[in-house]
Order: sequence, then structure tokens, then C-alpha cells
Amino acid sequence: SQELEQSPQSLIVQEGKNLTINCTSSKTLYGLYWYKQKYGEGLIFLMMLQKGGEEKSHEKITAKLDEKKQQSSLHITASQPSHAGIYLCGASDRGSQGNLIFGKGTKLSVKP
Amino acid sequence: EAGVAQSPRYKIIEKRQSVAFWCNPISGHATLYWYQQILGQGPKLLIQFQNNGVVDDSQLPKDRFSAERLKGVDSTLKIQPAKLEDSAVYLCASSLVPPNTQYFGPGTRLTVL
Repeated sequence: SQELEQSPQSLIVQEGKNLTINCTSSKTLYGLYWYKQKYGEGLIFLMMLQKGGEEKSHEKITAKLDEKKQQSSLHITASQPSHAGIYLCGASDRGSQGNLIFGKGTKLSVKP
Repeated sequence: EAGVAQSPRYKIIEKRQSVAFWCNPISGHATLYWYQQILGQGPKLLIQFQNNGVVDDSQLPKDRFSAERLKGVDSTLKIQPAKLEDSAVYLCASSLVPPNTQYFGPGTRLTVL
């Protein structure tokens, strides 16, 4: 079965610094989703990537999917306290009915 | 557009008691998912509905968990009897026909004592 590994597990950065979170799959990714979660709350959809080499940006967050479609990265530029939370990557299997398998998440803290 | 609604937001029960969670998906979304998220883990799918039919319930502990979506809109997830290891956040998500993006509700935090 497919597994997603996220790194780092947690991250503390100073406000204004850039950071990168990685998500690595044991199998080829056919749909890679990034979500953000505040502690104990629901997931907020950030971006979805499907094609090898694809890159998407929204405000100060950029997500990329590598050419081999087995690794994705999430980059935040000039971090702010509002970026704090848990970032989760989720992936769908080629043969799945759409349900997602998630990594364990990366906890981001931003110090003002 | 209203998002996915869930209730209650928090629930504390003792082991062996029963509990039910409710979910109302985004209007027009045919697919509804229930996930269990244990502290420090990513969400794990429990059951997926397409309209009022079950698509995938392979990871649902059927001896104690049940779910229904009778009219293809709202859904209820029940645990009976609850165990200590059921303490988790239960997330409901909905989407248009898969593999469209899933949108999540705020979750129900269950504590079993």
C-alpha cells in the first residue's frame, strides 16, 4: 500500500524566514494534495498537483511535484505567524475511488 | 457557499458508551468521507459514500462502528460501544465525483475515558 513520509516532523522558524516541507511517496503519485490544519480542527485545502514538474503558487506558498511524481515540496516565503499550523500531504492511488492517504504532518511554528 | 458542517464539535464519554456524529456536506457534493485522526497522525479513511451507497468501508471496524447516508445528503457515524483507543478527531469531508478535491469539516473531537 502507498505510504507518505513527511519531513521535517516539526519546524520552528523566525518570522520572515523561508522554509520548505517535503512529502515523499513509496509509489507514483497520481494526485498530490496539500492541506493545512490548525490544532484539533479541520483541514483547509491549499493546492493540488497532478503532473510531473508541476508547480503552483498561492500568495506566499508554492508547491511543486517532481518529474518522477514521487516527491512534493511546499515552500513558504517570508513566513508569518498566520502560517503556523500542521501541514499535511495527501495522495490518491491510481486505482482508488478518490480516497486519500495522508502523511503524518509537519508542525510549523513561527516566532514573531 | 457553506462548507461542510459537523456536530458536535466536542464529545466526552466513558468507555462502553455509545456516541453518534453528524455531517452535512457541501451542497451538490455526491461523495462523502469519514476519517479518523489520532493525535500526531494523519487522517485515516473509515468509510466513503457515493450518494447513499458505500464505496469503501474496508478500514471501518464494523464490530463497533457504523455509518449511514440514507438520503444521499447528511451522514451519521456511530460508535457502539466505545473503547479508549477511539479517542480521536473524526473528520467528515465531501467532494464532487472523485477524484475531485475533498473539502473538510471542522471535525468532532472525541475523548473516551
